[in-house]
Amino acid sequence: SQTIHQWPATLVQPVGSPLSLECTVEGTSNPNLYWYRQAAGRGLQLLFYSVGIGQISSEVPQNLSASRPQDRQFILSSKKLLLSDSGFYLCAWSRNSPLHFGNGTRLTVT
Amino acid sequence: AQRVTQPEKLLSVFKGAPVELKCNYSYSGSPELFWYVQYSRQRLQLLLRHISRESIKGFTADLNKGETSFHLKKPFAQEEDSAMYYCALVGAQGAQKLVFGQGTRLTINP
Repeated sequence: SQTIHQWPATLVQPVGSPLSLECTVEGTSNPNLYWYRQAAGRGLQLLFYSVGIGQISSEVPQNLSASRPQDRQFILSSKKLLLSDSGFYLCAWSRNSPLHFGNGTRLTVT
Repeated sequence: AQRVTQPEKLLSVFKGAPVELKCNYSYSGSPELFWYVQYSRQRLQLLLRHISRESIKGFTADLNKGETSFHLKKPFAQEEDSAMYYCALVGAQGAQKLVFGQGTRLTINP
């Protein structure tokens, strides 16, 4: 069966520090991969998606970037965090709909 | 543009009462609609999708193309239905990008 792992579960980082959140999928090949952010009062916002290795599409301009170095690995990064980057980040995968979500990472930028 | 609107951020009903969570969408083509649910301390998961025409945990949702709505209904609410509910739409079939509404927090009072 397919599983998705996302870590860390929680993270507290100072403003200006770098960020790296990792997501891996097991039990499937060539999945579509997604990063969403769940901000208070704003629902779930799609940040990035990838249909293959090295293929990244950005949905909104922001301080974040994404990379897919391997088929089942999706990384969310930032060189310098902003206070506004605080939120709950969700990784998801799909082959066909529906999406399957990870447990999420609670990021607090202080 | 694709857009999903859930007009109620909070909804509170008594156990045994009917529940309706509203969802309206904007999309020029033929969308695929979903309801996702997030119970306390659990990951976001699919509840139902309109093409399945299923009843899951007593919930149903009918796609009304004339009113561009996909309201979630249950005739008799149970306490375990308390959760965060998200309506979502897939329009761009190639990448299976889900666009989510802002979510409705449903609380069932005993």
